[in-house]
Formats: sequence, structure tokens, C-alpha cells
Amino acid sequence: GENVEQHPSTLSVQEGDSAVIKCTYSDSASNYFPWYKQELGKRPQLIIDIRSNVGEKKDQRIAVTLNKTAKHFSLHITETQPEDSAVYFCAAKSPRPGNTPLVFGKGTRLSVIA
Amino acid sequence: EAGVVQSPRYKIIEKKQPVAFWCNPISGHNTLYWYRQNLGQGPELLIRYENEEAVDDSQLPKDRFSAERLKGVDSTLKIQPAELGDSAVYLCASSLRAGVSYNEQFFGPGTRLTVL
Repeated sequence: GENVEQHPSTLSVQEGDSAVIKCTYSDSASNYFPWYKQELGKRPQLIIDIRSNVGEKKDQRIAVTLNKTAKHFSLHITETQPEDSAVYFCAAKSPRPGNTPLVFGKGTRLSVIA
Repeated sequence: EAGVVQSPRYKIIEKKQPVAFWCNPISGHNTLYWYRQNLGQGPELLIRYENEEAVDDSQLPKDRFSAERLKGVDSTLKIQPAELGDSAVYLCASSLRAGVSYNEQFFGPGTRLTVL
């Protein structure tokens, strides 16, 4: 089945700097890669996703890139703000029959220091 | 539109006691998921329902965990008996239909279980 690795596990950046979180996946058939943000004590919420037919997607200060050949995808947050502090999870979805629909990484705790 | 609803939000029990969690998905969402999230980890799928059918329960510890979604709407997850290692947040999520590749999953607020 699919296996998702996420790095780093913790990340501290100064306010205004950029943050990058990287994930790798094992199933070359995976075709959907969402990123979730989970603030302390709250539910995970989708912030951006990318499908396997594109290499990059941007939404204001957030961007995601996908390299299908290397089987890795990354989340980029520019001009970080204190409210970006949270745990971020990547995930991958394989369309193969019988596979778990969405496999999550272990998360990255991002701290933005004012 | 109401989101995914879960209750209770918090539960503290002693080991060997039973416990049950309830989830009501977003109206119209056919697919319902139960996840377990241990501290500092990502959500791990326990069971997935398509309407009332459990289509993926390979990660569910069936000796003590059970789930049902009798009418294809709300769902209950039960643990009997609970063990210390079951302490975690139990998240429910729903989506329109898992067979469609790009369905967003919407999560509920979770139930934080503490087993003493």
C-alpha cells in the first residue's frame, strides 16, 4: 500500500520568512495530494491540494509542487505569519482498488516566531 | 451548512470500560471515515463506509473495536474493553463519494479519549 514520509517533523521560522515542508510517497499510481492544517485542539482542514496532472498550484501565500518522477511533493508558505503556526499534514491518495483512500504523513509542527 | 458533528468531545474512562463515539456526517456525503490520531501523529484510518457498507476496515482492531452505520447516515464507533493504548483523538470525516478521485474529506472536531 501507499506510504507517505514527511519532513521535517518540526520547523521554526521568523515571521516573514518562507517555510517549506516536503513529502514523499511510494505508490506511483497516487494521483491526489492534499495538505491539511491542524491548529492546536482543532480539526484538520484542507488548505490546498494538487492533482497528478499538474506540477504546481498556488493560492495566495501557499503553493504546492509535485514531482511525479521523484514521487515527492512540497508545501511552500511565503511571508509567514504567526497565525500560520500549526501542524501541517500531507497526504496521498491512490486509486488502486483495495487501497486506503488517503494516507497521511506524520505531520510537521510549524512555529512562526514574531 | 453544518459540518461533521461528533460527540462527545472529550471522554475519560478507566481501562476495561466500554466507550462509544458518535458521528453525523455532512448531509449528502455518502462516504464516512473513522480515523485515530495519536499525539504528534497524522490521522490513521480505522474504517471507511460507503453508505451503510464498511468497504475498508483492514486497520480496525476487530477484537475490541466495532463500528456501525445502519442507515447510511450517522455512525457509531465502539471500543470494548478499552485499553491504555487506546488514548487518542478519534476523528470522523466525510466526503461525497470515495470512488471519485478528488473528493475533499471534511473532518469533525474529534473525540479526545483518555483511558486511565
